[in-house]
This record gives sequence, structure tokens and C-alpha cells, in this order.
Amino acid sequence: EDQVTQSPEALRLQEGESSSLNCSYTVSGLRGLFWYRQDPGKGPEFLFTLYSAGEEKEKERLKATLTKKESFLHITAPKPEDSATYLCAVQALSSGGSYIPTFGRGTSLIVHP
Amino acid sequence: DTAVSQTPKYLVTQMGNDKSIKCEQNLGHDTMYWYKQDSKKFLKIMFSYNNKELIINETVPNRFSPKSPDKAHLNLHINSLELGDSAVYFCASSVRDMDLKKLFFGSGTQLSVL
Repeated sequence: EDQVTQSPEALRLQEGESSSLNCSYTVSGLRGLFWYRQDPGKGPEFLFTLYSAGEEKEKERLKATLTKKESFLHITAPKPEDSATYLCAVQALSSGGSYIPTFGRGTSLIVHP
Repeated sequence: DTAVSQTPKYLVTQMGNDKSIKCEQNLGHDTMYWYKQDSKKFLKIMFSYNNKELIINETVPNRFSPKSPDKAHLNLHINSLELGDSAVYFCASSVRDMDLKKLFFGSGTQLSVL
């Protein structure tokens, strides 16, 4: 069965203190790995898609990377407004022939000023 | 304008009651979904509708019945509510079925069953 594990569950950083969030997955036939940001009381908002090992995507202070077993979301010099829960999802062909996504539990990030 | 809107935002009810959550999208998307986020924060797909037709039903109890009167609306009716139904329910839409790159979520409905 597909598994997506995110770590750490929670992360507290000081403003400017760079760090990384991890998303490890065990699927066969990966179609894509997706990162979302979720603010309290809101729905997830799409950030990045990664399709193959070695791929990288960047957006402002965020950079997502992908290997065959995991993805990292690097946050460089974070600001308080980066505080949110970051969700990872993988999409692979299921035995039933569909591409139902599997989401991780998320990493709750708090950036202190 | 809100792209995907769902009502109500909060729903508190007693066990055994029947309740509905409504969802509307103004993005012109063909596919709409219901997701459930439980207390452990896992987000799981429940249903997928493409052009008013049910595509995916992820082993959800038949107390949950989605209804899509048109491709811009997808409502969720829940019969005989149970304690374990307490969760946040998200409506979402995308241009194509299972297109996670362009998946837009509503703000969620927090359901509390007492």
C-alpha cells in the first residue's frame, strides 16, 4: 500500500533560520509528487509538482527537490508569514487503475520573529 | 470572488442527525471532489465527480451521498451521523480528473458530532 510520511510533525524556527522538511514515500509508478501549503482554517494551496528524481522547483524562499524515495522542501531565511502546515502528496497508478492521491500528515511550521 | 466556496463553515450536530454541506465552484472546472481531513490531519479523497458523473467512491459508508445537480455544484449529504464522522470536509475542483497541479480547495467545513 502507498505510504507517505512527513517529518518532522512540527518545526519551530527563528526568522532567518533555514531548514528542510522531509516527505518520504513508498510507491511504485510515481506519477507526481506535490507540495501544498495549508493555513489554519483554510484549504490546501498548491505549491509545487515534481515528476522525476533530480528535479527541483523554486518559489521565493522555498525549494523542492525529489529523489527516488523522498522529497525535501527547503526553506531559506524563513519569515513569520511562512508559518503554515506543509502537505506532501504522491500520485501513482493504483491497482484499480486510477491515480488517487495519497497525502502525508503534514509538517506544521512556525516561524518566530 | 471565491473560487471554491462551501457552506457551512462550522456544523455542530447530534449523533443520528442528517446534515448537508454545499459546495460551488466558479472556475468552470469539470471535476469536483470531496475530501475528509481527520483529527490526525490525514487528507483523504472521498468522492470524485466529472461532469456530474461519479468517478471515484473511495469505500465511503453509504450514509454519505454526494449529489451534483450541475458541474459547478457538488453537495454532500450525510445520514445518521456518527461520532467518527467528526472531521473537516473539503470540497475541491480541478480542470481534469485527478489533476493535482490545478486542484483548488474550499475553506473546509468543520463537522462536530456530539
